[in-house]
Order: sequence, then structure tokens, then C-alpha cells
Amino acid sequence: AQSVTQLGSHVSVSEGALVLLRCNYSSSVPPYLFWYVQYPNQGLQLLLKYTTGATLVKGINGFEAEFKKSETSFHLTKPSAHMSDAAEYFCAVSESDSGYSTLTFGKGTMLLVSP
Amino acid sequence: KAGVTQTPRYLIKTRGQQVTLSCSPISGHRSVSWYQQTPGQGLQFLFEYFSETQRNKGNFPGRFSGRQFSNSRSEMNVSTLELGDSALYLCASSQPGQGSPLHFGNGTRLTVT
Repeated sequence: AQSVTQLGSHVSVSEGALVLLRCNYSSSVPPYLFWYVQYPNQGLQLLLKYTTGATLVKGINGFEAEFKKSETSFHLTKPSAHMSDAAEYFCAVSESDSGYSTLTFGKGTMLLVSP
Repeated sequence: KAGVTQTPRYLIKTRGQQVTLSCSPISGHRSVSWYQQTPGQGLQFLFEYFSETQRNKGNFPGRFSGRQFSNSRSEMNVSTLELGDSALYLCASSQPGQGSPLHFGNGTRLTVT
């Protein structure tokens, strides 16, 4: 069975500061990993994904994440936060050999950005 | 290309009633999944359909059902509504293939009174 843990239900940063959102996963097989963002009253928007290959993945809006197999982590970072980054962020995992597209999500981290 | 479309956006129902939610996937996407999102439980997988066949199901009671049509459009039905069914129901579509990301609609907000 797979699972995702996001450390911190809320993270507060100042505009211009580094954003770091933590995600650890467990999976019995090589995982596919995703980060999604959700703005109020909207669905989830894909930020980036890791399937195979390069472990540093770049996504939209200046976000990137690094897959570290030894640490079972897939933390999301952005060098400089914008006010528009304030939203809820979800890390998700799917198993590469399941044949399904099913995602298991973390509980989410609300990013708060102050001026 | 149009995104995933879910209708209606908002629904208010009474306990004991039933409800049907609709989802139109992105053109060319044959896989449709449904998720329930609540503040307490977060995002939980309901079911996934591919080529009109349910190929995976989450841990929900039989009151929750779904189907997929030949044009890949999907519906989910909840019968005998309970207060705890109040949630945002999200539909997502994807292309075939391992690791294909899910593309989500804006959801249907269901309130059960």
C-alpha cells in the first residue's frame, strides 16, 4: 500500500522568501510522484510530476521538486514566493506497476504568503 | 483544448435523496476518475473508469456508484444521501499510460441538509 505524508498543514513565508513544502511517501514499487495546487473554489492543477529519469523536476510557476529515493522524499521548492502562490498544495503518489491512474494524496499544505 | 467540465457546480440535497453528478473529460482522454474531498478526510479515491469499465474502486459504500459512456463522459451517483456525504466531488481525466497525470475539473460542491 502506498501513502503520502506532508509535514505541516500550514506554512507561512514572506513574499520573496524561499518556499519549501515537504512530502514523504511510501511505496512498495518505484513510484510516480506529483504535486498539485488548489486555489479556492477550484479543482487541482498539476504543478509537476516525476516518473523516471532526472530526479530534479521543474514545473510551472517557478516550482521544482527533487526525488530522493534514499529519503523517500519529494519536497517542493520555489526560490522566491509571490503573493499569488498562496494556495493549498498536495503531494500525490501512484504505483508504477498498478496499471491504474489512481493517486494517493497527502493531507495538503496551505501556503500563506505575507507582504 | 477544453478542460474537464463538471456539472453542476453546486448542489443542495436533503438526507435520503439521491444525486447524479456529471463529468466531461478532456477530448481524447479515456480514463476518468472520481475523488471526494472533505476537510476531515482530505482527498479520497472513489473509482476509476476506462473504456466504459470500472477498473479500480476505493473504499466507499455501495451507495456510491458510477458509470462511463462510450464518449468517455462519466456520471457518479450517490443514493440515500447522508449528512457526511457533503463534500467537493472532483472528476479527473487522463490519457492511457503509466504515469499520465490526472487533469481535474473544478468540482461539484454537494451539500446535504
